Amino acid sequence: SAELAQPVSVSVAQGQTARIPCGGNNIGSKNVHWYQQRPGQAPVLVIYKDTKRPSGIPERFSASNSGDTATLTIGRAQPEDEADYYCQVWDRITAVFGGGTKLTVL
Amino acid sequence: QITLKESGPTLVKPTQTLTLTCTFSGFSLSTSGVAVGWIRQPPGKALEWLALIYWDDNQRYSSSLKSRLTITKDTSKNQVVLTVANMDPIDTGTYYCAHRDTAVAGAFDFWGQGTLVLVSS
Repeated sequence: SAELAQPVSVSVAQGQTARIPCGGNNIGSKNVHWYQQRPGQAPVLVIYKDTKRPSGIPERFSASNSGDTATLTIGRAQPEDEADYYCQVWDRITAVFGGGTKLTVL
Repeated sequence: QITLKESGPTLVKPTQTLTLTCTFSGFSLSTSGVAVGWIRQPPGKALEWLALIYWDDNQRYSSSLKSRLTITKDTSKNQVVLTVANMDPIDTGTYYCAHRDTAVAGAFDFWGQGTLVLVSS
């Protein structure tokens, strides 16, 4: 099944832009979903189908997907954005999650 | 408003079978395109998908755990049950159930709060 590679950690200064990559073989041909998980909480869907934001998710959250890399972008990072972020795809009939990236807002 | 809640034992012994129930509201698991999945997370580690059941009763399983998993649904009770056979300490973690819909391209758009399962003798 597909494997999705994420950096273990990313740091960003408050108010700056954070970018979290998710690498996978030809991931651009798949729908990529992104989840935010704050400490002690369940995951929350922040991006689906590569670029779409569910209702209630701030416009600061955006994403792209092309080639072998999908990227979650968080603009004007806020302290409340500090969390783990996971990418996810469906590889045929199997759901695959990336290893997760811990975002630290400095 | 869609909600899901997991329930089951907090502690199981090695070799026992774990049975978890996901009770949901706000949607019907007889509606075309809808599914409920189970995802787990060992302490301090990443999310791992386990199983999925569709509105038409089709089931999908993680290839690495398929021999130990069974997922079923009771549409009349709005429940999905996951059993995991032959539990081992490495199965310790938080188990989540989540709603999946083709309307969001198969993403898990609503999650339960999770239930922590400890495997220990």
